[in-house]
Amino acid sequence: YVLTQPPSVSVAPGQTVSIPCGGDNVGRQNVHWYQQKAGQAPTLVMYFDRTRPSGIPERFSGSNSRNTATLTINRVEAGDEADYYCQVCESGTDQWVFGGGTKLTVL
Amino acid sequence: QITLRESGPTLVRPTQTLTLTCTFSGFSLTPDGGGVGWVRQTPGKALEWLAVIYREADKRYNASLRSRLTIRKATSNDQVILTLTDLDPTDTATYYCGHTGYDILAGYYNYFIHWGQGTLVTVSS
Repeated sequence: YVLTQPPSVSVAPGQTVSIPCGGDNVGRQNVHWYQQKAGQAPTLVMYFDRTRPSGIPERFSGSNSRNTATLTINRVEAGDEADYYCQVCESGTDQWVFGGGTKLTVL
Repeated sequence: QITLRESGPTLVRPTQTLTLTCTFSGFSLTPDGGGVGWVRQTPGKALEWLAVIYREADKRYNASLRSRLTIRKATSNDQVILTLTDLDPTDTATYYCGHTGYDILAGYYNYFIHWGQGTLVTVSS
């Protein structure tokens, strides 16, 4: 099973950015998102498609439908610059699958 | 507060076996405590899931690496050990352990709530 993410996206501060994660019928699976800032370990920023962990700002939201899951960040800040990875547990199996990651650049 | 820390060798020779330890606190490997998993990140930054252990002894493995991987709970109640045999330079990566969350839909612990800081392992002769 393959999850496809664009290698990079860029956005100006204060704007909105959406990071897509494409996969066959991914809308039928629970998608989780991780943020990895430079030199740090990843952290969970969204789970079960649209649930924010404690401490994650409301500016972060998630959706998942049909063949694309999306992480959206509103009012982007410089501190949001990071790599973002989506992840699922492949339906019908016990295999975790990660997307290739998207580098978010804040201009 | 949940914390995890990976430990093990930083340099391993090809064909040797890698043994990594994850020492954790703030939860336990009980039916309600969650699980511990391992993920590695290559120098190119791709993430690859390796294995997970939960409910003390239930285990799942990456199918493509299954023959080389073993995950087990240590005799102490706060450590999980991962072994990877027959190392190759392509196994060079940062290895992370993490506290896993439960997915009711899948009936299984299949994502990381918390990550350790990671440990870089280089496979080279």
